[in-house]
Amino acid sequence: DGGITQSPKYLFRKEGQNVTLSCEQNLNHDAMYWYRQDPGQGLRLIYYSQIVNDFQKGDIAEGYSVSREKKESFPLTVTSAQKNPTAFYLCASTGLADNEQFFGPGTRLTVL
Amino acid sequence: QKEVEQNSGPLSVPEGAIASLNCTYSDRGSQSFFWYRQYSGKSPELIMFIYSNGDKEDGRFTAQLNKASQYVSLLIRDSQPSDSATYLCAVTPDQLIWGAGTKLIIKP
Repeated sequence: DGGITQSPKYLFRKEGQNVTLSCEQNLNHDAMYWYRQDPGQGLRLIYYSQIVNDFQKGDIAEGYSVSREKKESFPLTVTSAQKNPTAFYLCASTGLADNEQFFGPGTRLTVL
Repeated sequence: QKEVEQNSGPLSVPEGAIASLNCTYSDRGSQSFFWYRQYSGKSPELIMFIYSNGDKEDGRFTAQLNKASQYVSLLIRDSQPSDSATYLCAVTPDQLIWGAGTKLIIKP
């Protein structure tokens, strides 16, 4: 079964902690994306990567970091510099020849 | 600033009626247009995409694109309570630009 997995489903962070959200895909997609969604809002792009070992900042990259060491994996770290990290985080992927993005189930991050 | 605008709703439609969702975009260079459905607490799922002016039908769903007027719409025929969700419009000149979504409520 091809798809995108994200873990954990729910994550709680204390003030000042860094946390890492996992995103894995077995669709053989080249491009991967991280979005943040706040209640009642659309999707805002954090980072994206079109190829292994390369990634670009999106609209709201401050306080976040990513890596792309493998085609299948694109983890997102929410650092302590992100002052308001409570949100729903969505990972997506697409083939380079396509524009349709497919999403993982999401991770809901809450700051305690 | 490239923008995609949607009425946030909620749009309330009786069961069995046609639901009409609209989206306008600012970048005339946009080439691809997508409609996603998002249930509360879930991730978006692709419903339809359209690249050319005119209508594209898929079952109960019809996407309509008018590049001259810079709008794209989604019609849902024979609306069902299970269609109640937020519908996101996304447009790509290069990277996807997302609207904030329209909340649709189908009343039995």
